[in-house]
Amino acid sequence: DSGVTQTPKHLITATGQRVTLRCSPRSGDLSVYWYQQSLDQGLQFLIQYYNGEERAKGNILERFSAQQFPDLHSELNLSSLELGDSALYFCASSVGSGSLEAFFGQGTRLTVV
Amino acid sequence: KNQVEQSPQSLIILEGKNCTLQCNYTVSPFSNLRWYKQDTGRGPVSLTIMTFSENTKSNGRYTATLDADTKQSSLHITASQLSDSASYICVVRAPYSGNTPLVFGKGTRLSVIA
Repeated sequence: DSGVTQTPKHLITATGQRVTLRCSPRSGDLSVYWYQQSLDQGLQFLIQYYNGEERAKGNILERFSAQQFPDLHSELNLSSLELGDSALYFCASSVGSGSLEAFFGQGTRLTVV
Repeated sequence: KNQVEQSPQSLIILEGKNCTLQCNYTVSPFSNLRWYKQDTGRGPVSLTIMTFSENTKSNGRYTATLDADTKQSSLHITASQLSDSASYICVVRAPYSGNTPLVFGKGTRLSVIA
């Protein structure tokens, strides 16, 4: 157990809908990272938050947004969902913004039908 | 463009045998390189992390090497076990940059069979 908690584990929704994925980082970690992993694809970095503020941005679609709350948990919001958004979404956390070690959660499997 | 290429894409070996996975990267400069193990449907778990000044690091039966001059890394697995079946992902971190601080390879899918 990495100490990073993601909910829900599975999510099935229809095209055009909006969903929210939640991540609780390890105790003491200030950074949260979001990644997307499509079938047979590598992990794609979406966005990083550090202590409540956006720190780095990857290839995140405009339909997606994220935030980190004062208690350091984070949410990834996906809207106007398309079939191609079906993927595993991982959250990772680390102590600092440039820490060597990042710990991953077990992921949320999103299926858009 | 910062890229990480891994080879082979997939590999099947017999239990008890050794294997070596390759990672070539173009990220420059870089601050560290990591190898992760990802079981199917689960989150990646870190195996080793090396800074640019390190050239080898071991974690049990896993040994990673790094040649910063040729921008190559390898992960050697000795005496493989069935539980080693997973995807192995090479990740290179650039010193802080505004975008994509971590560059991921697509992974090598290893299957260990009895």
